[in-house]
Amino acid sequence: DGGITQSPKYLFRKEGQNVTLSCEQNLNHDAMYWYRQDPGQGLRLIYYSQIVNDFQKGDIAEGYSVSREKKESFPLTVTSAQKNPTAFYLCASSIVSDFQTQYFGPGTRLLVL
Amino acid sequence: KQEVTQIPAALSVPEGENLVLNCSFTDSAIYNLQWFRQDPGKGLTSLLLIQSSQREQTSGRLNASLDKSSGRSTLYIAASQPGDSATYLCAASTGANSKLTFGKGITLSVRP
Repeated sequence: DGGITQSPKYLFRKEGQNVTLSCEQNLNHDAMYWYRQDPGQGLRLIYYSQIVNDFQKGDIAEGYSVSREKKESFPLTVTSAQKNPTAFYLCASSIVSDFQTQYFGPGTRLLVL
Repeated sequence: KQEVTQIPAALSVPEGENLVLNCSFTDSAIYNLQWFRQDPGKGLTSLLLIQSSQREQTSGRLNASLDKSSGRSTLYIAASQPGDSATYLCAASTGANSKLTFGKGITLSVRP
């Protein structure tokens, strides 16, 4: 089955710790995206990548980092510089890098201990 | 800067009722508008996408309309069912390579 997988489903972060959220797609999509969703809020774009080895900051990139070494993978690292990391993180991908038809993964919920 | 508003934040209706969910946007130079469904603790599923040149799109019991001049889109759900209970988000794009701007969503509850 083609789709987007995110792992883990739940992630706990200790104070001062960096954590990495995984996103993998087997849809052969060029573009991949990371969004953050807070309760009762819309999605906000963190980072996006339109091609391998290239990525751009979204609206709320501070405290986050990404890499795109393979077409199918776009991991997100939440660094210790992100002071309010508790949120639901969604990864998405699209066939072409035009933001328009995005397919979303099931999400990772990050909680702070 | 495009802003997208969805009011009310929550809606509860009895099963079988026809209902309309509203979405308003500030920049009428819209490229397209999408409606998504999100079940609790899950990702988003695209329901309908309306291009700026279109006025509406239909899929099964769902019909979405777009009125650029008034800055509004509506999602009409016919004969609602308990399985329609979810959060519905709209998202607007102002260009072919522009990011999506999401509303906060409307949480719909359909009572049996």
